[in-house]
Amino acid sequence: TQLLEQSPQFLSIQEGENLTVYCNSSSVFSSLQWYRQEPGEGPVLLVTVVTGGEVKKLKRLTFQFGDARKDSSLHITAAQPGDTGLYLCAVMTTDSWGKLQFGAGTQVVVTP
Amino acid sequence: NAGVTQTPKFRVLKTGQSMTLLCAQDMNHEYMYWYRQDPGMGLRLIHYSVGEGTTAKGEVPDGYNVSRLKKQNFLLGLESAAPSQTSVYFCASSYSSRASGSSYEQYFGPGTRLTVT
Repeated sequence: TQLLEQSPQFLSIQEGENLTVYCNSSSVFSSLQWYRQEPGEGPVLLVTVVTGGEVKKLKRLTFQFGDARKDSSLHITAAQPGDTGLYLCAVMTTDSWGKLQFGAGTQVVVTP
Repeated sequence: NAGVTQTPKFRVLKTGQSMTLLCAQDMNHEYMYWYRQDPGMGLRLIHYSVGEGTTAKGEVPDGYNVSRLKKQNFLLGLESAAPSQTSVYFCASSYSSRASGSSYEQYFGPGTRLTVT
């Protein structure tokens, strides 16, 4: 059983459309990270959210941490082909040392 | 500043063969990690190191060994490769971000695609 459940698993949309992907858990976290992984590359950190209810914006990407700090969402406005990639959420494990546990990811494909 | 580099990029092994994957980072990070990525399963931690000369097991350590003789390098070894070890392997490094409290950002290498036949 995955600690973090990401949905949907796959999303294909056309350029200019909006999309939202979700990261859910039954556990409470002190912080949550979102990474994007492009084909043939390693994941790259997009944002870290640490406060319940926090909203962070990164250009056309909006990240929200749930009030109870159990879930998070990523919303992309007016998606572009450059947004194509695997979006992963991750949380620190309870025994720290910077170890992260990742969700399985949402594969997003944006076609021109 | 190359960040995190991994060699080789691709490798094909026969069952029972051995190999070593090399990870190097030039950011003076204390912590380093090895993950494997399989379809539908995300990234799973194999082993990690919190400093030169120290290593510890992660979630899926069986069949792998690691060494961290120098701070900048973290080696992952497969002593007797099995088809179940066919995967994409990622190395990452991190430091504790004081500015964001206990949040750790991990910096990843480009990955090694390993096929065991």
